Amino acid sequence: AQSVTQLGSHVSVSEGALVLLRCNYSSSVPPYLFWYVQYPNQGLQLLLKYTTGATLVKGINGFEAEFKKSETSFHLTKPSAHMSDAAEYFCAVRGSRVGGYNKLIFGAGTRLAVHP
Amino acid sequence: DSGVTQTPKHLITATGQRVTLRCSPRSGDLSVYWYQQSLDQGLQFLIQYYNGEERAKGNILERFSAQQFPDLHSELNLSSLELGDSALYFCASSAQGTSGRTDTQYFGPGTRLTVL
Repeated sequence: AQSVTQLGSHVSVSEGALVLLRCNYSSSVPPYLFWYVQYPNQGLQLLLKYTTGATLVKGINGFEAEFKKSETSFHLTKPSAHMSDAAEYFCAVRGSRVGGYNKLIFGAGTRLAVHP
Repeated sequence: DSGVTQTPKHLITATGQRVTLRCSPRSGDLSVYWYQQSLDQGLQFLIQYYNGEERAKGNILERFSAQQFPDLHSELNLSSLELGDSALYFCASSAQGTSGRTDTQYFGPGTRLTVL
């Protein structure tokens, strides 16, 4: 069954510090993985996605994520946090053939706070 | 701006009532998805339509229904509303969304439903 676990519902970092948001997944099919960001009172914006090929994926706003099959992980990182990065971040995995490949299964989300 | 529009932005209604949420996909996108975001359930997939036909179904209650019209806009109908239906309802669209493909989904800003 498809599932996503995001470790840490709240993460707080200082401006300029490394951002690390953790995501582990379970998938019965080759996983397609996504990170979305949700700013207050807005919809979800795609940060990056992994489908096949290169395991290190670069996204918008300086974020990147690495797919590690052996660890079933897809952690999101950014070398230096900006105040504007404060938002909620969601990791998602695609569905399986049973439920539909286009169904996205989301984690519970991680709220990132950035302090000056 | 993702190009997906949703109306209304906010909706306040009473228990037992019926409401309709509207979504216009990005130009050229054939698939529309509906998701519910609530505090206790998180982000959950409800239903997908592709070019007017239901393609995949998730955790959608029987009191809820959706359709996609020939111009590709979609409506989500919620009836016999209960307090627990209060949530943010997102619409997303993708280019295709047919079997075997997992297209990137672009999310609208959401409709916040409050049931009193």
